[in-house]
Amino acid sequence: DTEVTQTPKHLVMGMTNKKSLKCEQHMGHRAMYWYKQKAKKPPELMFVYSYEKLSINESVPSRFSPECPNSSLLNLHLHALQPEDSALYLCASSPSSGRGAYEQYFGPGTRLTVT
Amino acid sequence: AQTVTQSQPEMSVQEAETVTLSCTYDTSESDYYLFWYKQPPSRQMILVIRQEAYKQQNATENRFSVNFQKAAKSFSLKISDSQLGDAAMYFCAYRSPQGAQKLVFGQGTRLTINP
Repeated sequence: DTEVTQTPKHLVMGMTNKKSLKCEQHMGHRAMYWYKQKAKKPPELMFVYSYEKLSINESVPSRFSPECPNSSLLNLHLHALQPEDSALYLCASSPSSGRGAYEQYFGPGTRLTVT
Repeated sequence: AQTVTQSQPEMSVQEAETVTLSCTYDTSESDYYLFWYKQPPSRQMILVIRQEAYKQQNATENRFSVNFQKAAKSFSLKISDSQLGDAAMYFCAYRSPQGAQKLVFGQGTRLTINP
């Protein structure tokens, strides 16, 4: 099973709402990632979790709050977002975050619209 | 910092023909990993092929092959016998072996397959 699942597929939220994105993998991977992708652009890394600890935060605004409750699950909590935060949010996982050609497996993404 | 450049924003090819997508990168590292990802309209990023820099042999996966020229820092993707299902955005990506697995993506090439 090489599947990364993400819920919901689509999300529309107001600027005062609080919502969460969920990502799950059952491949035993120990590294998980959040990316943001605007239309016709490559994904931009937001966060990396390695062995359930935050290892990279690419200077993401605090209105995005990641959480890794266990090795299979990754959440992204959203609060007080801005319209410019509307994008496709991709989750990915890889076997490890150490040395080696550990390719990342991506989920189908959540299309977020902030109104 | 590493950079990845894809100089062809769009390309098109006739079904069953062969097409080559270009990618160049800049790095001072001698060991690294290179990837081609495909993102169809369904949005999911799918790994097409990977190449370890220490391997001289070019990677091949069925109809997909790469031309890896380490000295020239070039990593092109050749798609043989193009199929309608190959239509997608293709991203070239670089990963350093050091630290967490941050992927550096190129800007992408949109490939159209003409029937």
